[in-house]
Amino acid sequence: DIQLTQSPSFLSASVGDRVTITCRASQGISSYLAWYQQKPGKAPKLLIYAASTLQSGVPSRFSGSGSGTEFTLTISGLQPEDFATYYCQQLNSYPRTFGQGTKLEIK
Amino acid sequence: EVQLVQSGAEVKKPGATVKISCKVSGYTFTDEYIHWVQQAPGKGLEWMGLVDPADGEIIYAEKFRGRITMTADTSTDTAYMELSSLRSEDTAIYYCAKGAVADFRDDFYYYIDVWGKGTTVTVSS
Repeated sequence: DIQLTQSPSFLSASVGDRVTITCRASQGISSYLAWYQQKPGKAPKLLIYAASTLQSGVPSRFSGSGSGTEFTLTISGLQPEDFATYYCQQLNSYPRTFGQGTKLEIK
Repeated sequence: EVQLVQSGAEVKKPGATVKISCKVSGYTFTDEYIHWVQQAPGKGLEWMGLVDPADGEIIYAEKFRGRITMTADTSTDTAYMELSSLRSEDTAIYYCAKGAVADFRDDFYYYIDVWGKGTTVTVSS
């Protein structure tokens, strides 16, 4: 199975900050990676797929990059509604594993 | 609008079986995979498997193989996930989610684009 390791696991930031979350795969997965946002008590929401393609309706302050084994999710200009937990998922092979999550909290 | 409507919360005793439904609307059911994802209280997301409603093909995560059954009823546009021999560790929210695929850069990129609201399953004696 492909393991995904996100860093950091917890992140404290302020409104307006630029933050970056990293997702490292245990083996190469090309660009077969998606990012999701989950708020407490809610289902996850797709942000980015194919490592860098923004899902329709997602604000442009979200961006993704990377290929192979290292990927990043960047939020430029944090908004109050962005404080949530973020997950990466690989869709290169089965099982379709998720990272352990990064909880983004208000400083 | 694409929607996945899941069945209501369940309380089960250890050793029992739970069956969760996921009725879809707003798209052609047989066009996309249905994934199932588990989230234990305070924990992350765990992929359980998927079913292809077009042909019934199923892929299960090894962790659940032997206890899980996923099906898709094309007459009602409803997917089902059944988990047997329940134990306390199965207490979780279970999500169904619609798969999607993008065709560009000379490749096919799979992802999950729409999620149900989740079904809470509590296993307790």
